[in-house]
Amino acid sequence: GAVVSQHPSWVICKSGTSVKIECRSLDFQATTMFWYRQFPKQSLMLMATSNEGSKATYEQGVEKDKFLINHASLTLSTLTVTSAHPEDSSFYICSARGGGMNTEAFFGQGTRLTVV
Amino acid sequence: GDSVTQMEGPVTLSEEAFLTINCTYTATGYPSLFWYVQYPGEGLQLLLKATKADDKGSNKGFEATYRKETTSFHLEKGSVQVSDSAVYFCALYTRGATNKLIFGTGTLLAVQP
Repeated sequence: GAVVSQHPSWVICKSGTSVKIECRSLDFQATTMFWYRQFPKQSLMLMATSNEGSKATYEQGVEKDKFLINHASLTLSTLTVTSAHPEDSSFYICSARGGGMNTEAFFGQGTRLTVV
Repeated sequence: GDSVTQMEGPVTLSEEAFLTINCTYTATGYPSLFWYVQYPGEGLQLLLKATKADDKGSNKGFEATYRKETTSFHLEKGSVQVSDSAVYFCALYTRGATNKLIFGTGTLLAVQP
């Protein structure tokens, strides 16, 4: 299947700083990218959906000013956690899909964020 | 709203044992159903899927049948291997305006030699 690369795999940052996570589709054009957050022993919760060149659509309860999503090209989306706090520590996973609604979504390996 | 419930883990089995991981769902429409697998240190991969009632998805010896009457999509494998050790996620896909995957909590499978 297609490859989605997520970077970094893990990051530790200080409270109050910002962290950027990159998600790249390596061998296909991702018209839609999804960002998920996973808490320990819990489901993957969809945070936002972004289409290339458009503003991201955030799920209810997700602060768009805190979790900035940019999808400037067909192969790259970024998630920036601004003014990070310890409660933002989590596992963040991106997913990318090319083509229409019924095409398969491919997942990155995830990023473990720890805010100290 | 739509949701997925799957059995909690970890599930620990010996090699060549029979595997069942239960998954049930709640959906207002007619969802597509999926099993994803996440091997250690890797991203999620689609394992199998079924798009309508009575469909059976299969891959790598794993099977799951879309049962509308019991709203279930249980994952089975007749003989597990150590290499099957991973976290398995059941998910549903809602068509239309929401157009997103909803995941279960994941079940860790550990297969011992």
